[in-house]
Amino acid sequence: GQNIDQPTEMTATEGAIVQINCTYQTSGFNGLFWYQQHAGEAPTFLSYNVLDGLEEKGRFSSFLSRSKGYSYLLLKELQMKDSASYLCAVVDSNYQLIWGAGTKLIIKP
Amino acid sequence: SAVISQKPSRDICQRGTSLTIQCQVDSQVTMMFWYRQQPGQSLTLIATANQGSEATYESGFVIDKFPISRPNLTFSTLTVSNMSPEDSSIYLCSVAGGEYQPQHFGDGTRLSIL
Repeated sequence: GQNIDQPTEMTATEGAIVQINCTYQTSGFNGLFWYQQHAGEAPTFLSYNVLDGLEEKGRFSSFLSRSKGYSYLLLKELQMKDSASYLCAVVDSNYQLIWGAGTKLIIKP
Repeated sequence: SAVISQKPSRDICQRGTSLTIQCQVDSQVTMMFWYRQQPGQSLTLIATANQGSEATYESGFVIDKFPISRPNLTFSTLTVSNMSPEDSSIYLCSVAGGEYQPQHFGDGTRLSIL
């Protein structure tokens, strides 16, 4: 079966750095997306990784290791507005998007 | 990215009735999808809306319950038929420019069935 694992919830402090991990076992791999979803709102696209390595976009970076079936989203200089759920999603060999359950990130002052 | 308008934003319906949700995009898009999201849970794909042909449904979802139309490349509807309280959820449409392109979401329809 296809499976994506993320921690259910994480807590971090404003101004700090947090890493949200995502491991996947899917039938094939054609890329991995990270989305942010604030409570009561729709998901918004953050990043896309298809090759191994780190992609940096401002305060957010995303890393991929295809051999390990592993990705992480790194958030720096945390702000209160970063409190949200972060969803990992993998494109499988049939170009289906397999969604993780999401990680709820709580930022404390 | 495309501007996606989804209507209605919320509704409260009686069991046994049906509701049609509309998704309008301000530009032509290759792919359109319909999702359901229960509170505190991740997204569940209902179907891929195909322009000019029948939608492609995921396991557990059937056309009689969730008929979908997509008459052109900018518009789609999802109908939730013969609703029961178990259908209470957030329904989201999303669009993408292709298989490797990120999906962008409408604001969602919050549906409650009494």
